[in-house]
Amino acid sequence: GAVVSQHPSRVICKSGTSVKIECRSLDFQATTMFWYRQFPKQSLMLMATSNEGSKATYEQGVEKDKFLINHASLTLSTLTVTSAHPEDSSFYICSAIAAAGETQYFGPGTRLLVL
Amino acid sequence: KNEVEQSPQNLTAQEGEFITINCSYSVGISALHWLQQHPGGGIVSLFMLSSGKKKHGRLIATINIQEKHSSLHITASHPRDSAVYICAAPYGGSQGNLIFGKGTKLSVKP
Repeated sequence: GAVVSQHPSRVICKSGTSVKIECRSLDFQATTMFWYRQFPKQSLMLMATSNEGSKATYEQGVEKDKFLINHASLTLSTLTVTSAHPEDSSFYICSAIAAAGETQYFGPGTRLLVL
Repeated sequence: KNEVEQSPQNLTAQEGEFITINCSYSVGISALHWLQQHPGGGIVSLFMLSSGKKKHGRLIATINIQEKHSSLHITASHPRDSAVYICAAPYGGSQGNLIFGKGTKLSVKP
């Protein structure tokens, strides 16, 4: 089946620094990628939808200037958490689809800990 | 009230048992996802179904659109099936705009 990878799988950073998370579709071209986050013992929540070559669409309550999303190619989307704070510590998961209506493939997730 | 409800929240079974996890939703949907999340957090998409039944190995998913209910069955359960199983329904016309259930934590004992 299709594979979506994320890098890094785990990152620890100091408060105030920026962290970049990559999401790659390994064997298909992803027209759309989604970024989710999951706080401990909570459900996944959609943060933003990223379409290749256009600006990401952010969900209500998600700061676009804090969570920068770049979908520069059909196989790569990046999420940059700028000026990270401890409350940004979470599990970030991306998913990708080749085209609308097709199966959504999830990445393995990135666990971010901000000290 | 969460628009996607799962039951049970926790489930412990003996190896070999038949497992059923239920999902009810109140939103109008075109398809429903069943996902598996392992202890490390990684998520695997098991099924996306909009009607009837789908089978993959020992996993079977069914959906009744009229009753707004879906079930995930695991036959001949095995300890490696231990994970959190999540159902999710898209809303708002966007495929990625998913409302996730809170998950069912399954533990299969040898």
